[in-house]
Amino acid sequence: AQSVTQLDSHVSVSEGTPVLLRCNYSSSYSPSLFWYVQHPNKGLQLLLKYTSAATLVKGINGFEAEFKKSETSFHLTKPSAHMSDAAEYFCFSGGYNKLIFGAGTRLAVHP
Amino acid sequence: IAGITQAPTSQILAAGRRMTLRCTQDMRHNAMYWYRQDLGLGLRLIHYSNTAGTTGKGEVPDGYSVSRANTDDFPLTLASAVPSQTSVYFCASSELAGNTGELFFGEGSRLTVL
Repeated sequence: AQSVTQLDSHVSVSEGTPVLLRCNYSSSYSPSLFWYVQHPNKGLQLLLKYTSAATLVKGINGFEAEFKKSETSFHLTKPSAHMSDAAEYFCFSGGYNKLIFGAGTRLAVHP
Repeated sequence: IAGITQAPTSQILAAGRRMTLRCTQDMRHNAMYWYRQDLGLGLRLIHYSNTAGTTGKGEVPDGYSVSRANTDDFPLTLASAVPSQTSVYFCASSELAGNTGELFFGEGSRLTVL
């Protein structure tokens, strides 16, 4: 069965330090994987997507993610956190009629 | 370009009442989706439509119905609302059905059932 697991419900970092948001997936085929960001009282916005091209994917706002098939992971990273990065982040696995979101990771950024 | 418009943005509803959440997109996308977002559960797919005239059940379809009479509109109806349907509802669309399409989201409809 297809599934997505976000390993941390909350992550807290200091401004200027690296960000790591973890996502593992389970799929019987090579999935399409996405990261979305949701700011308070807003809809979701696409950060980046992996669709079986390059395994290292660069997104908006300095975020990137690496697809690792051997680890079934698609972790989201950013070298230096900014206050405006505070939001909820969702890992998402796309499949025909099987669109699976992770439970979300809330990122807090402290001065 | 508005993208996806949802209405109402917020609604308080008595249990047992009928409610329709409206969703309209102006991107001519083929596929549309309804999700509900609940704390700790992320987003769960209620119903989807891969193209006008077709609909399908998602992960949590019970108590909800949808229709797709045309490309642009995808209303979600609660025939008889119950408190467990208190949630934030998001409509989304993608150009194509399937696993390569980016989802575009509306701003959400916050529904409280008392």
